[in-house]
Amino acid sequence: GAGVSQSPSNKVTEKGKDVELRCDPISGHTALYWYRQRLGQGLEFLIYFQGNSAPDKSGLPSDRFSAERTGESVSTLTIQRTQQEDSAVYLCASSTYAEQFFGPGTRLTVL
Amino acid sequence: KNEVEQSPQNLTAQEGEFITINCSYSVGISALHWLQQHPGGGIVSLFMLSSGKKKHGRLIATINIQEKHSSLHITASHPRDSAVYICAVSTGGGADGLTFGKGTHLIIQP
Repeated sequence: GAGVSQSPSNKVTEKGKDVELRCDPISGHTALYWYRQRLGQGLEFLIYFQGNSAPDKSGLPSDRFSAERTGESVSTLTIQRTQQEDSAVYLCASSTYAEQFFGPGTRLTVL
Repeated sequence: KNEVEQSPQNLTAQEGEFITINCSYSVGISALHWLQQHPGGGIVSLFMLSSGKKKHGRLIATINIQEKHSSLHITASHPRDSAVYICAVSTGGGADGLTFGKGTHLIIQP
């Protein structure tokens, strides 16, 4: 079946612009996660959605970052007023219980 | 906050060798994950375990909860096993955001 998909695969933006990244989870997966991987660094947790519960936003690095999820479907991660340090691969994952299935990521470059 | 340490950071071995990658963590967990990341590719979940041992093909993962330590073993290693192997832990019943180690970059030479 279809895996987790993300769009766009690559995004180049100018410093100060807003960007939206999209994640389509595997159908039926109630949990959805956003992670970030900056060049040469490990993966970092950003935010977690579980069903209709309030999201766990504890990993968001600043108030410029926000995310929404419509029901148990698509999620968008929004970064406002992008900075160069936001350049990274943004990964989405979904799960039914605990094993997480990762999307291919969106490579964001802020010039 | 859980600290996840992996060793070694880099490992180069010859085809056929037995490979061991280690992971230790500082706080009690609900589950430990081993992930594989190929260059330019996505991340694949290899194992999720909370106790004992799991085996899948040539891959074996073990965990010792008391010692807060896990190992990933690769038997009869092959160049296609070359990848970054990442240990990650969850603490909130399993289905929460993961805390990751920095990864082990494995190269298997023919």
